[in-house]
Amino acid sequence: DTGVSQDPRHKITKRGQNVTFRCDPISEHNRLYWYRQTLGQGPEFLTYFQNEAQLEKSRLLSDRFSAERPKGSFSTLEIQRTEQGDSAMYLCASRAWENTEAFFGQGTRLTVV
Amino acid sequence: AQSVTQLGSHVSVSEGALVLLRCNYSSSVPPYLFWYVQYPNQGLQLLLKYTTGATLVKGINGFEAEFKKSETSFHLTKPSAHMSDAAEYFCAVSSNTNAGKSTFGDGTTLTVKP
Repeated sequence: DTGVSQDPRHKITKRGQNVTFRCDPISEHNRLYWYRQTLGQGPEFLTYFQNEAQLEKSRLLSDRFSAERPKGSFSTLEIQRTEQGDSAMYLCASRAWENTEAFFGQGTRLTVV
Repeated sequence: AQSVTQLGSHVSVSEGALVLLRCNYSSSVPPYLFWYVQYPNQGLQLLLKYTTGATLVKGINGFEAEFKKSETSFHLTKPSAHMSDAAEYFCAVSSNTNAGKSTFGDGTTLTVKP
């Protein structure tokens, strides 16, 4: 399977705990995007990388959130001190520079209890 | 700034009937427009896209959409609904400066009745 891969698919955590999600983009896609989708809403842009550089962050990305893409390959999204409002589906997408659309992974569903 | 409005959060059709899902967008630059489908607990699958050129675009599974600049619309249609079309559909807009950064509508849930 050469699509975008996200791990884990589901995560249940207690409020206040830290969680980390991983995204493996399609090989040689230099752009990588993170989105958050809450129930009944469309995905909302969080941040994006071009290679290892984080070029843009949404205001939705509070200081409890951090994303990295070391070496321009896989990416991680960490949420510190989780809150119930963080419960959502976190989607990753990647794009090659010549593509006009991004390809999405299956998402990680986070539930904070 | 860009925005998307999907008219009708729920649409119900009979199997074999026409599917019409409405999308209006706002963009200060020439838009790229997309329709995605999402099944429960799954990611997004691209149905079709408009970037430049022909304003009537055809996608997978028999869907098509027409870009109407004067109406700022990009409605999705399918002549004959199938039970497997039941899902949530999202319209999205981006720009040619960063095509992967999209603004999405809130989605339309399509129900197909036998």
